[in-house]
Amino acid sequence: EDQVTQSPEALRLQEGESSSLNCSYTVSGLRGLFWYRQDPGKGPEFLFTLYSAGEEKEKERLKATLTKKESFLHITAPKPEDSATYLCAGHSYGQNFVFGPGTRLSVLP
Amino acid sequence: NAGVTQTPKFQVLKTGQSMTLQCAQDMNHNSMYWYRQDPGMGLRLIYYSASEGTTDKGEVPNGYNVSRLNKREFSLRLESAAPSQTSVYFCASMGVDQPQHFGDGTRLSIL
Repeated sequence: EDQVTQSPEALRLQEGESSSLNCSYTVSGLRGLFWYRQDPGKGPEFLFTLYSAGEEKEKERLKATLTKKESFLHITAPKPEDSATYLCAGHSYGQNFVFGPGTRLSVLP
Repeated sequence: NAGVTQTPKFQVLKTGQSMTLQCAQDMNHNSMYWYRQDPGMGLRLIYYSASEGTTDKGEVPNGYNVSRLNKREFSLRLESAAPSQTSVYFCASMGVDQPQHFGDGTRLSIL
């Protein structure tokens, strides 16, 4: 059975304190690994898609990486506006998306 | 661009009442999805529609029905609401080789 887990459940950082969020997946025949950002009271907003091990993508202070079993979302010098819940999801061929429970990130000024 | 629009944004029901959640997208996407999101759990798929005229069950379909009215619209119906269906419901749409785009959700409480 396809499964996606995320750690930590919650993370508090000081502004400028870099860290990483983890997404572990057991998805047979991975078609893509997706990262989303979700603000309170809003729907998930797409950030990145990763397709193969070794791939990296960047956007502003965020960089997503992918191995055969995990994906990491690295946040460099975060700002308070980066506070949100970050979701990852695996998508396999012939199957639908499987979402992890998310990591709640708080960046304190 | 509106993207994915869900109505209503909030709703309170009594046990046993019925209601329909509406979803419309303006991106000409073929695929549409209904999820529920509960605290501590990931988004769970209720039903999806790979194209106009088709619908399929997801992970948690019991107690729900859907209608793909046309390419733009995909509705979710609760025939007899139960407290266990208290949740936040998200609709999403997706084009070929694209990520899912989500609406801002319907917050549903069932007393």
